[in-house]
Amino acid sequence: EIVLTQSPGTLSLSPGERATLSCRASQSVSRSYLAWYQQKPGQAPRLLIFGASSRAAGIPHRFSGSGSGTDFTLTISTMEPEDFAVYYCQQYSGSLTFGGGTKVEIK
Amino acid sequence: QVQLQESGPGLAKPSETLSLTCVVSGYSISNGHYWVWIRQPPGKGLEWIGTIYQNENTFYNPSLKSRVTISLDTSKNQFSLNLDSVTAVDTAVYYCARLVGPYPDAGYFDYWGQGKLVPVSS
Repeated sequence: EIVLTQSPGTLSLSPGERATLSCRASQSVSRSYLAWYQQKPGQAPRLLIFGASSRAAGIPHRFSGSGSGTDFTLTISTMEPEDFAVYYCQQYSGSLTFGGGTKVEIK
Repeated sequence: QVQLQESGPGLAKPSETLSLTCVVSGYSISNGHYWVWIRQPPGKGLEWIGTIYQNENTFYNPSLKSRVTISLDTSKNQFSLNLDSVTAVDTAVYYCARLVGPYPDAGYFDYWGQGKLVPVSS
């Protein structure tokens, strides 16, 4: 099983700042089979990124994904008020597993 | 617009079976794609439970395989989850979702239900 470790656990930012979230895999994620989700309290996760860098339909351009192998990054170029949430990475290279999440909170 | 909605009892008793149904609208499950159940204990992360395909083939998380059954009813455009012998650790929000990918355990989730909290308690 591929274990995903997300860091930091919590990220404190102000609106307008840039967010950089990390997801590290215990072994290589083949074909960049990695996705990112956003989850707000009381809601289901929402798909942001698949294939490590492809934005899902309707996702703003301020969200971008990058990385390969064992190291992946989600970047939010300019934090908007609605972007404060928990973010999860998920790999689909070897079964289906999620990272533990990064909470992005208002500073 | 694809929509999924979970339904079922809002409580399960220890040692009994937790049963949930997911009704899909806006897309016929007979047309393909994989359909999954995912759970999230309160305040914790996400765990994939299992996957079913239109031909009713299933694929389960090895950690839950001995207790899980996922079934399909194409006439009602819905699929269901049974989790046997539940304990308090099975308390979670249970989500149904659509998986996009080449295999039943290789894909991402593009449409989700709103989730159903099922406490396990006597």
